[in-house]
Amino acid sequence: GQQVMQIPQYQHVQEGEDFTTYCNSSTTLSNIQWYKQRPGGHPVFLIQLVKSGEVKKQKRLTFQFGEAKKNSSLHITATQTTDVGTYFCAGHEDSSYKLIFGSGTRLLVRP
Amino acid sequence: NAGVTQTPKFQVLKTGQSMTLQCAQDMNHEYMSWYRQDPGMGLRLIHYSVGAGITDQGEVPNGYNVSRSTTEDFPLRLLSAAPSQTSVYFCASSSGLFYGYTFGSGTRLTVV
Repeated sequence: GQQVMQIPQYQHVQEGEDFTTYCNSSTTLSNIQWYKQRPGGHPVFLIQLVKSGEVKKQKRLTFQFGEAKKNSSLHITATQTTDVGTYFCAGHEDSSYKLIFGSGTRLLVRP
Repeated sequence: NAGVTQTPKFQVLKTGQSMTLQCAQDMNHEYMSWYRQDPGMGLRLIHYSVGAGITDQGEVPNGYNVSRSTTEDFPLRLLSAAPSQTSVYFCASSSGLFYGYTFGSGTRLTVV
């Protein structure tokens, strides 16, 4: 079945440093979604990418969808303490209604 | 709008007991899903539904049942609770395949 892997599992950065998390699927995805979960909270939808090679930006966050639609990345420029949380990617395999999540990357930011 | 409402927020069960986790959404979303979250394992899909009367299994369906009699409600039933079902359970809904999911605040379940 479909598997979605994320690396790294955990990253601790100094405030102002950049951060990147990578998402890799075992199968081709029809879309990729990114979510953020604050400690003790629930996942919150950030963005969706659908097209091969698509790049989207939200302020300091840049999201990319790979050309083969099997991988994605989230890059945060100049991290802030408000960026703390776990970032999840999730995707639908082609012709599937199941939204499968990656294992997440936990980001800690030192002030 | 309330969004996605889950009850209860916390529950302790004894092994072998059954219970139903409630989930309701007021956004008229067709898609609803149940996930469990365990440390270091992300969110795993238990069951999902693409409309009233339609349900299907996710990645980890064993030990759980669902039904979808209305668009608004999607309860998750634990048939005979086991310690391995200790987890945080999230219900989520979406208006379609290419839309983001809105999550409830979760139910923290402990089985002793």
